[in-house]
Amino acid sequence: EAGVVQSPRYKIIEKKQPVAFWCNPISGHNTLYWYRQNLGQGPELLIRYENEEAVDDSQLPKDRFSAERLKGVDSTLKIQPAELGDSAVYLCASSLEGRGIQETQYFGPGTRLLVL
Amino acid sequence: GNSVTQMEGPVTLSEEAFLTINCTYTATGYPSLFWYVQYPGEGLQLLLKATKADDKGSNKGFEATYRKETTSFHLEKGSVQVSDSAVYFCALRGSNAGKSTFGDGTTLTVKP
Repeated sequence: EAGVVQSPRYKIIEKKQPVAFWCNPISGHNTLYWYRQNLGQGPELLIRYENEEAVDDSQLPKDRFSAERLKGVDSTLKIQPAELGDSAVYLCASSLEGRGIQETQYFGPGTRLLVL
Repeated sequence: GNSVTQMEGPVTLSEEAFLTINCTYTATGYPSLFWYVQYPGEGLQLLLKATKADDKGSNKGFEATYRKETTSFHLEKGSVQVSDSAVYFCALRGSNAGKSTFGDGTTLTVKP
C-alpha cells in the first residue's frame, strides 16, 4: 500500500513569490494534517482536516497561508507571498479517525522549502 | 497546553552500547505517547507507541514504557547499531485526538 505522497520534494524560490505543496494521503484516511518543521525542531501543526472540513487551523498564518481539501482526499497548501522565515520542511500526515478511536498518524517525506 | 521535553543531543555512542533518550511530557487527560524516527532525507516513521499507563511499546529492539506517575516515556535500546543513527522524536496526542505535539528531537550518531 502506498504511503502518504507529497510533491515536490524540494523547492527553491525567491521571497515574495508564491509556492504550493501537494499531498495525497493514504487511501481511506479521513484526517489530513499539514505540519511545518523548522531546522532542529519538531513538527508543529499548521492545519488539520477531517474530510473536507478544516477543524483546527489556529496555527495557520492566514495572511499568507491557505489550504484546501476540496474532495476530502488530496490537499494543497499554498504560501503567497513567501518570506525568508518560511524556509522549512512542510510535512503532510494522515490517519483514520473514528468515534472513540485514535489511530496512528502516518507522515509523508515532506517538501523542503528554501526561500532566498 | 500539551508539551514534550526531550533530552538534548546530539548523542554519540559506539556500536553495541546501551541507549537511553529521555522524554517527559505535560498533558491533560490521558494522552497516547509515541516515538518517531527520522533518517537523513526521509520523513517521520513511527517507531513505537503506547496508549495507556504502564503500556510498553517496542519495535526493532527499542522499548519505551508509559509512566504516568513520572510523566515520562524514555526510549531505550540494549545494543545500538550504526544503522540506528537518526533523529528521534518523542510525541503525544491528546485524549481527544487531533494534532500531535512533538519534542525538538534528539540526534543519535552510532560509530563503528
